Amino acid sequence: DTAVSQTPKYLVTQMGNDKSIKCEQNLGHDTMYWYKQDSKKFLKIMFSYNNKELIINETVPNRFSPKSPDKAHLNLHINSLELGDSAVYFCASSQDRLAGLTFGPGTRLTVL
Amino acid sequence: SQQGEEDPQALSIQEGENATMNCSYKTSINNLQWYRQNSGRGLVHLILIRSNEREKHSGRLRVTLDTSKKSSSLLITASRAADTASYFCATDTPLVFGKGTRLSVIA
Repeated sequence: DTAVSQTPKYLVTQMGNDKSIKCEQNLGHDTMYWYKQDSKKFLKIMFSYNNKELIINETVPNRFSPKSPDKAHLNLHINSLELGDSAVYFCASSQDRLAGLTFGPGTRLTVL
Repeated sequence: SQQGEEDPQALSIQEGENATMNCSYKTSINNLQWYRQNSGRGLVHLILIRSNEREKHSGRLRVTLDTSKKSSSLLITASRAADTASYFCATDTPLVFGKGTRLSVIA
């Protein structure tokens, strides 16, 4: 049973397209996150939701829009994709903001 | 944003040896966490140490925390080839991770 799952695993698309990445957790956690890991392996938080409410939004372009239909799902929609958006995107969840995170397997996004 | 910075950037040891990685951070914390990332995979949570704790053990892992020096260390004893991975520290709500320490354990 996968605790945090993401789809798709790989995403290759052209500049200017709009794409979505889906995330689901079956751990009953209250808090979910999106992280971006660039080619230099820096892992940086993008968003955090707690019980469907946005609590962290870290200087991310407004082309990125998270959506949380319920506390088990946190999807990431990206408009007008740019070359610099190429990275691995990780979804994660935790019971609360001070607990350890459980990460998904990542989605490798390549923008051509 | 709080940030952990790991040192060294890369570490190569023989199987059976101990591996020590260090982490420094900048501001006061509630807790510090260590994660492992195997190549091409997501991060796996290893251990969380609270600011009022000085040492914590989990299997072959030993973590120390020195809040006066704003530093932590992760010790992996009797390393195995399967321990080969990148190791990251992060503080509180992990906002920003460092580049990690890339550990290679040679059989």
